[in-house]
Amino acid sequence: SSELTQDPAVSVALGQTVTITCQGDSLRSYYASWYQQKPGQAPVLVVYGKNSRPSGIPGRFSGSTSKNKASLTITGAQAEDEADYFCNSRDSSGDSYVFGTGTKVTVL
Amino acid sequence: QVQLRESGPGLVKASQTLSLTCTVSDYSISGSDYYWSWIRQLPGKGLEWIGYIDDSETTYYNPSLKSRVSLSIESSKNQFSLNLRSVTAADTAVYYCATFLGDGYNYYFEHWGQGTLVTVSS
Repeated sequence: SSELTQDPAVSVALGQTVTITCQGDSLRSYYASWYQQKPGQAPVLVVYGKNSRPSGIPGRFSGSTSKNKASLTITGAQAEDEADYFCNSRDSSGDSYVFGTGTKVTVL
Repeated sequence: QVQLRESGPGLVKASQTLSLTCTVSDYSISGSDYYWSWIRQLPGKGLEWIGYIDDSETTYYNPSLKSRVSLSIESSKNQFSLNLRSVTAADTAVYYCATFLGDGYNYYFEHWGQGTLVTVSS
């Protein structure tokens, strides 16, 4: 399958921890990358590879992978973390790069 | 920090060709390790990778769009471009250009343009 499936929405209390998951067969072969998108803005890379963050991304964002599932964890969620989050990976055939369906994170 | 900016018509008639250019600033396309990529986001929906090109003009396209897409690069202007032929209303989307890196197991889009909305009219 070339799909990456994410839960549509999750909520987290301010300062608490939330984990977003991304599931797909391609994740057995390739790492996921994760993108944060706020309304009206372009996506921003927050985590890639085994667990790497671009310069400027807070340390509260971390990633992990197990079998066919990748996870993005926000430890100590802040109000500014409220956004849509998309995963991305090369697809199983290796012919394309697919994005997940997206998860809307609400910080309460 | 690589800066990217998309430009082009915001309105295209159905059956015609959508053409966009991405101008890269603060970084040289020539000799770069990056692949130069296009991604689109359909209204209210997720993201779709369109394709990428490197500074040697090697291209790689999404199989679902391959028959209608062509990418080109103009290193002297530090720009790369997208042409999407025979557009329909289904091609209405926000189009982003982005830098892309990959090493066999790890692929990611590091820098993104602000995006440009292209509407296909009948």
